[in-house]
Amino acid sequence: EDQVTQSPEALRLQEGESSSLNCSYTVSGLRGLFWYRQDPGKGPEFLFTLYSAGEEKEKERLKATLTKKESFLHITAPKPEDSATYLCAVQDNSGNTPLVFGKGTRLSVIA
Amino acid sequence: KAGVTQTPRYLIKTRGQQVTLSCSPISGHRSVSWYQQTPGQGLQFLFEYFSETQRNKGNFPGRFSGRQFSNSRSEMNVSTLELGDSALYLCASSLQGTNTGELFFGEGSRLTVL
Repeated sequence: EDQVTQSPEALRLQEGESSSLNCSYTVSGLRGLFWYRQDPGKGPEFLFTLYSAGEEKEKERLKATLTKKESFLHITAPKPEDSATYLCAVQDNSGNTPLVFGKGTRLSVIA
Repeated sequence: KAGVTQTPRYLIKTRGQQVTLSCSPISGHRSVSWYQQTPGQGLQFLFEYFSETQRNKGNFPGRFSGRQFSNSRSEMNVSTLELGDSALYLCASSLQGTNTGELFFGEGSRLTVL
C-alpha cells in the first residue's frame, strides 16, 4: 500500500529564515510525486511534479527535490505570504491510480 | 477562466440524513475526483469519474456514491450520515485524469453532522 509521511507537522519560521519540509514515501513504483499548497478555507493548489530521483523544480522561493525514498521542499528566505499547509502526494505506476496524500506540514512565517 | 465550483460551501445535517454535493469542473476538463479531508486523516480519495464513468474508487463504504453528467458536472451523495462524516469534501478536475497529478481543486463543501 502506498504511504506518504510528512514532517514536521508544523513549522514556525521567522521571515528570511530558510528551512526544508520533508516527504517520505513508500510506493511500489513511482509514477510521480506532487507538491501542493493549501491556504486556510481553500482547496489545494498545485505546485510541482517530480518524476525521477535527482530531479529538481523551482518556483520563486520554493525548490523541490526528489530521491528514491523522499522529497524535500526547500523554502529560501520565506515571507509571511508563504504561510500555508504544504501537501505532498504520490502516484504509483500500476495503471490509473489516484494520488495518495500526506497529512501536510503547516508552515507559519512570522514577520 | 473559471475555476472549479463546489456547492454548497457549508452545510449542517443530522445523523441519518443524506446529503448531495455538487461540483462543476473547469470547462473542458473531463475528469472529476472527490476527496474527503479531515484533520486526523488528511486527504483521502473517494472516487474519480472520467467521461461519466467511474474510473477509480477509494476505500469508503457504499453510503458514499457519486456520478458524473454528460457536461462533466459531478455530484456525490452520502446517505445515512454519521458523525464521522463531518469533513471538508473537495472536488478536483483535470483534463485527462489523475495521471498527470496536476489537479485543480475547488474550495470544498464543509459538512457538519450533528
